[in-house]
Amino acid sequence: SQKIEQNSEALNIQEGKTATLTCNYTNYSPAYLQWYRQDPGRGPVFLLLIRENEKEKRKERLKVTFDTTLKQSLFHITASQPADSATYLCALDSNDYKLSFGAGTTVTVRA
Amino acid sequence: DTEVTQTPKHLVMGMTNKKSLKCEQHMGHRAMYWYKQKAKKPPELMFVYSYEKLSINESVPSRFSPECPNSSLLNLHLHALQPEDSALYLCASSQARTGSHNEQFFGPGTRLTVL
Repeated sequence: SQKIEQNSEALNIQEGKTATLTCNYTNYSPAYLQWYRQDPGRGPVFLLLIRENEKEKRKERLKVTFDTTLKQSLFHITASQPADSATYLCALDSNDYKLSFGAGTTVTVRA
Repeated sequence: DTEVTQTPKHLVMGMTNKKSLKCEQHMGHRAMYWYKQKAKKPPELMFVYSYEKLSINESVPSRFSPECPNSSLLNLHLHALQPEDSALYLCASSQARTGSHNEQFFGPGTRLTVL
């Protein structure tokens, strides 16, 4: 059966450090992988999308990698700030309107 | 306007009530979605409308009835719900690119409590 795993439920880091989140999947062949941020009681907000033939994508302090051989995406927040504290969701996009979300990793950045 | 709006923000209803959730977007998106999200869980897709036609129903119980009156509006009609239906209901919209990616824009959600 299809499965999406985000490596840890919670990640606590010091301000200024890099947070690295992992998204692994099995029995999927996504054409794209998307990352969203969700704050408590709010809807997810789209951050980045990476295509299956792209190895890396950057946007400001965010970087995403996508390895279809390992079936894994890494999401990095560099120079983290307390305002980056949120839950981050990976989502597999198979071109058919369906997004399959991982359970999310809650990041807490300590000042 | 890059917002998806949802009303009401909070809703408390009894198991015999009938109520509706509303969603609106003015980004020209032709795909609209309903998701259900329980605490500490990811959003679960319920329905997808593409060009105002229902294209995906993820085997949702008939007590949930979606409606897409036009390209900007999406409703979710609720009737005879159960306490386990209490959740955050999220609406989203996206472009309707066939065979390509469709990043989704989410509304703030309606927090539903069924007593």
